[in-house]
Amino acid sequence: ETGVTQSPTHLIKTRGQQVTLRCSSQSGHNTVSWYQQALGQGPQFIFQYYREEENGRGNFPPRFSGLQFPNYSSELNVNALELDDSALYLCASSIETSGATRNTGELFFGEGSRLTVL
Amino acid sequence: RKEVEQDPGPFNVPEGATVAFNCTYSNSASQSFFWYRQDCRKEPKLLMSVYSSGNEDGRFTAQLNRASQYISLLIRDSKLSDSATYLCVAGYSSASKIIFGSGTRLSIRP
Repeated sequence: ETGVTQSPTHLIKTRGQQVTLRCSSQSGHNTVSWYQQALGQGPQFIFQYYREEENGRGNFPPRFSGLQFPNYSSELNVNALELDDSALYLCASSIETSGATRNTGELFFGEGSRLTVL
Repeated sequence: RKEVEQDPGPFNVPEGATVAFNCTYSNSASQSFFWYRQDCRKEPKLLMSVYSSGNEDGRFTAQLNRASQYISLLIRDSKLSDSATYLCVAGYSSASKIIFGSGTRLSIRP
């Protein structure tokens, strides 16, 4: 058990709808990263939140957005859902340090939210 | 070109065999490297970090070659429980992101 919890575990949406996925990070972790994992692929980096601000972003369109709250929990929002958005969405928490260079250390993953878009 | 590339496999080897996985990364700014393990329909979990000097953890040995931008994982005396997908990972502090390869599937047969 990593202490990272995600909800919902499974959900089904239709094209054009919007979805919000939630993540509670491990106690003491200040950073949350979100990944999209399609079947048979490795996790693709969506973005990272550190101290409530987006801190890094992968190659995903603006309809993928997020939030981090003061308690370090996080949400991933996806608007205008497309069929290709069907995937496992993984949240990972970690500890990052402040300053010019941040560490990219071990990630602790939740079990994921499996989204199906019909 | 993907930032982190791995042979997807699958590798199908007998129990007790030694198996090696390779991985290359394209961004020379990468500063941290890891191998993660992912079981079927489960989340990835850290197997081991990879250091420039090479490091060993029981039956597992990881190597990093910064000049060639190449990472390897060696599993000795493989067990049935080693069957999983192995993900090569590179971290970029400047962009605050950790990038995963597509994974290499390993299946150990009795």
